[in-house]
Amino acid sequence: VQLVESGGGLVQPGKSLKLSCSASGFTFSSYGMHWIRQAPGKGLDWVAYISSSSGTVYADAVKGRFTISRDNAKNTLYLQLNSLKSEDTAIYYCARSQRMDAWGQGASVTVSS
Amino acid sequence: EIVLTQSPTTTAASPGEKVTITCLASSSVNNMYWYQQKSGASPKLLIYSTSNLASGVPDRFSGSGSGTSYSLTINTMEAEDAATYYCQQWNNNPYTFGAGTKLELK
Repeated sequence: VQLVESGGGLVQPGKSLKLSCSASGFTFSSYGMHWIRQAPGKGLDWVAYISSSSGTVYADAVKGRFTISRDNAKNTLYLQLNSLKSEDTAIYYCARSQRMDAWGQGASVTVSS
Repeated sequence: EIVLTQSPTTTAASPGEKVTITCLASSSVNNMYWYQQKSGASPKLLIYSTSNLASGVPDRFSGSGSGTSYSLTINTMEAEDAATYYCQQWNNNPYTFGAGTKLELK
């Protein structure tokens, strides 16, 4: 099982960014997937979940600004981040299944002018 | 939202010592999950559904609890167990994590 995030970087407040999580070693389409973030020096903060049937749920802090999606043909999970704020600065991890039994290495997102 | 309160916030243990970390939920949950995060690394699932060891996790780790009170126990501390430990629930949306317990080697 391997999860590899990409797409992170430095972005100005109010701008957008799209993260990707490339999955391998398992049948991606059969699993729900999460995005979880961790601000510098802080704890874990759940962001969003998409089920195997593409049902979605979001944390209140990102609802209406972030969109989780998946492309089963490409074995890839996405997180579209819009209207970014400084408090969105974090490492963003993707994780497999309801129980978060496999995690990627994380993608760093820094929101700063 | 269910708030998870972990204690202690920080602790230290000598090799061979028993360690217990508790997680109190603001409302009853069906199950608890525990993750280990070593410095500079991604989190790793340790315990799922309150008491089940994830694949590859040494059996010195165990989990227990019910309702609003859960715990993670390390039976005999080893140097490699120095890390931050998080509890997590998904009984109710949103999924929430505890603030973490930092375990250091004494």
